[in-house]
Order: sequence, then structure tokens, then C-alpha cells
Amino acid sequence: EAEVAQSPRYKITEKSQAVAFWCDPISGHATLYWYRQILGQGPELLVQFQDESVVDDSQLPKDRFSAERLKGVDSTLKIQPAELGDSAMYLCASSSSSGRSAGELFFGEGSRLTVL
Amino acid sequence: QKEVEQDPGPLSVPEGAIVSLNCTYSNSAFQYFMWYRQYSRKGPELLMYTYSSGNKEDGRFTAQVDKSSKYISLFIRDSQPSDSATYLCAMSPTGRRALTFGSGTRLQVQP
Repeated sequence: EAEVAQSPRYKITEKSQAVAFWCDPISGHATLYWYRQILGQGPELLVQFQDESVVDDSQLPKDRFSAERLKGVDSTLKIQPAELGDSAMYLCASSSSSGRSAGELFFGEGSRLTVL
Repeated sequence: QKEVEQDPGPLSVPEGAIVSLNCTYSNSAFQYFMWYRQYSRKGPELLMYTYSSGNKEDGRFTAQVDKSSKYISLFIRDSQPSDSATYLCAMSPTGRRALTFGSGTRLQVQP
């Protein structure tokens, strides 16, 4: 069964350090999302890609966060410098833009970040 | 006020009970409605997907959408301890826009 792959699963870092998360979506899925989920809350969108283009990054804190999907396949989310409030689960999801399953988001297992 | 409101629980029920989970929303443009289940330290997995109003049934799960009231529900029949998880409602105006999630309801099914 096709899955969204994410790495690393867990990351512990000190504040002011740089961190990066990687995501490989389900093959053929043109749309890729990065969500942040703080413990006890629902996921909140950080950025949405359609192929290699950013569709929505209105909630991405651009002073410290960046995301790219250079070839329209896998994607990297970077935080520099990390702050204590960035401790959360970072979830990648992908979806097909057409067909019966359009709009269904398939999530990876997430990358749990702890900032000390 | 959040666009999607969901009671965080926790909701504790005995095995075999019927569970009702609910969300309300404020954006009348929402057309796609989904329920995700999330086990601890895992990513959300899709349970039910509904377009516009009406009911949808899949095994022990039934999803209902009442757009006139801006209210959606998920019913779980014959609940099992393995159903213990956080249930997230999510919705979108189109199939091309990102989902907006509720905060999740934590469900515990006691054996």
C-alpha cells in the first residue's frame, strides 16, 4: 500500500539550532501539504504545494520557516533558528487533485520535534 | 472564534456502546467533510469522506452532514477498545484546498 514517507520520526534540538524535515508523498500525488500539530490540538496548515509551486503559505512563519519542493516530488521543511514554541508534530500529507479521491489527504507518520 | 469547533473530551464509554462525535463550523463554503482517526504518536488516517449534505455508512461508522445547521457527526456502533483514539473532523470548500481541522475528541472505550 502506498504511503507518505517522512523523516526523521523524532528530532531533539536546542533552541537557535537549524532543523530540517523530509517528506516523500504518494507517487502521482501532485498536491503536498505540511501541517503542524501541537499536542492536544488539531493539525494546522503551514504550506500547500501544487507540483513545485506554493499554493498557500499564508500561515508559514517566513522569518524562520522555509519549505521547498524543487522537482515537484519530495519536499523539505526547514526551521532556522528553532524556538521553544516550535515543539510539535510536523505532518506531511499528499492528495490527488482529481478523481474520486480528490481532496482526500493521506498523512505520513509525522516528525516529532522537541526544542530544548 | 475558530472556523471548526470540536469538543476535546475525553469521552469514555463501555465496550459495545454507540458513540457520537460532533463538530460545528462557521464557514458556509465548506463542501467536503472528513473524519480522521489518530492513534497516539501516529499520523491521522482517513475514516470517512462525505461531499455536501447527507449520510454515509461504512461498517460500524456513519457520518452525517447537516449543512443547514453547520453541524457534522460521526457515529460508531458496537464500539471496541481498538477504537480508542483521537477523532478529528476536517473540512474544505473544494477538493483542491487544504483541510481545516477541528481540535480533536479523545475517545476511550473501556473493555
